Amino acid sequence: GENVEQHPSTLSVQEGDSAVIKCTYSDSASNYFPWYKQELGKGPQLIIDIRSNVGEKKDQRIAVTLNKTAKHFSLHITETQPEDSAVYFCAATVGPNNDMRFGAGTRLTVKP
Amino acid sequence: DTAVSQTPKYLVTQMGNDKSIKCEQNLGHDTMYWYKQDSKKFLKIMFSYNNKELIINETVPNRFSPKSPDKAHLNLHINSLELGDSAVYFCASSQYRAPTNEKLFFGSGTQLSVL
Repeated sequence: GENVEQHPSTLSVQEGDSAVIKCTYSDSASNYFPWYKQELGKGPQLIIDIRSNVGEKKDQRIAVTLNKTAKHFSLHITETQPEDSAVYFCAATVGPNNDMRFGAGTRLTVKP
Repeated sequence: DTAVSQTPKYLVTQMGNDKSIKCEQNLGHDTMYWYKQDSKKFLKIMFSYNNKELIINETVPNRFSPKSPDKAHLNLHINSLELGDSAVYFCASSQYRAPTNEKLFFGSGTQLSVL
């Protein structure tokens, strides 16, 4: 099927270090790749997204890279802070209707 | 003002009961969704409504019935609740419909526990 695989499932880093989360997708027609952050007890919130005609996008401490040939995209968080601790989801549009398919999530813990 | 609001936040009920979850968005968006998040945090789409018209139904049991009285509201009614229905249900909206998808705005979730 049209899956989105996300790794790792858990990630623990020291405050100030960088964190990288990777996703792969199978639908070569996928053209939109958002990343969502879900804090405890809340709904997912979009933090950054990238479209298929762009290879990299940056917003302050977060960046996303896309490799369309290899069908993978990554989230990079630099200078991590304890408030970055959350579950992060990647997603990709799949199928003829551009349905949003989510990865399984990565629980990021930033230790002070 | 909350952009996407859903009620109740917690719902505890017995097997076999019928319950509803309400959702409202004040963003003027055209499309609304219901997602189910299981205990492993996996997010899966259940329904999508565009201007009161159902456009996705991802093999969800027919015990689940979405109802949209207008494009700002999408309620979820569940009949004959089962233990496996226990999960967090998220309402979401997006400005446009597929294929010109815009970002999703999620509500804060309804944690359903079926005993």
